[in-house]
Amino acid sequence: DAGITQSPRYKITETGRQVTLMCHQTWSHSYMFWYRQDLGHGLRLIYYSAAADITDKGEVPDGYVVSRSKTENFPLTLESATRSQTSVYFCASSGTTYEQYFGPGTRLTVT
Amino acid sequence: LAKTTQPISMDSYEGQEVNITCSHNNIATNDYITWYQQFPSQGPRFIIQGYKTKVTNEVASLFIPADRKSSTLSLPRVSLSDTAVYYCLVVNQAGTALIFGKGTTLSVSS
Repeated sequence: DAGITQSPRYKITETGRQVTLMCHQTWSHSYMFWYRQDLGHGLRLIYYSAAADITDKGEVPDGYVVSRSKTENFPLTLESATRSQTSVYFCASSGTTYEQYFGPGTRLTVT
Repeated sequence: LAKTTQPISMDSYEGQEVNITCSHNNIATNDYITWYQQFPSQGPRFIIQGYKTKVTNEVASLFIPADRKSSTLSLPRVSLSDTAVYYCLVVNQAGTALIFGKGTTLSVSS
């Protein structure tokens, strides 16, 4: 099916563990984005990518790593998870930066 | 970066027109204004975008004054299903102005 998917949808992990959140889109959109959403903060941009092998930091990149070897995939890795990274993570894609299509989100809990 | 300011919440009744204003005082010449809608447990959904004057689609209208320091999202004849959080976002083509802000929670009652 066409669209944007995220996996896993729910994840519980322990402090210090490495976690990778996956994002896949089938539109061949150039742009992909990772956001986190926390109560009281709205949506905050973590990283974005304008094309394969091109990534750039957003508002809150510390503690996260991204890669984009293929246009359709944009994984987000928490190298050593901390409790402050407990959040809902949204991936989005777009043909431009103006109209973004969001995935269903991943709810991550770090214990 | 163009920060945005919106009311935290608004209340309305079914059938009324709702106007949500967003302030973006330091918007740059090449920036566009976009609005998104988000329901609980879902990702945001694009509603409308504009650069200046007025833009209308099947869902909403967007009014942008000449100085572009604010914008108003207009939802005609809201229904209960329009209860959601609405985000104003100022973006540029390079993607370096992607700050969503905290949004406006719209509650529609019968």
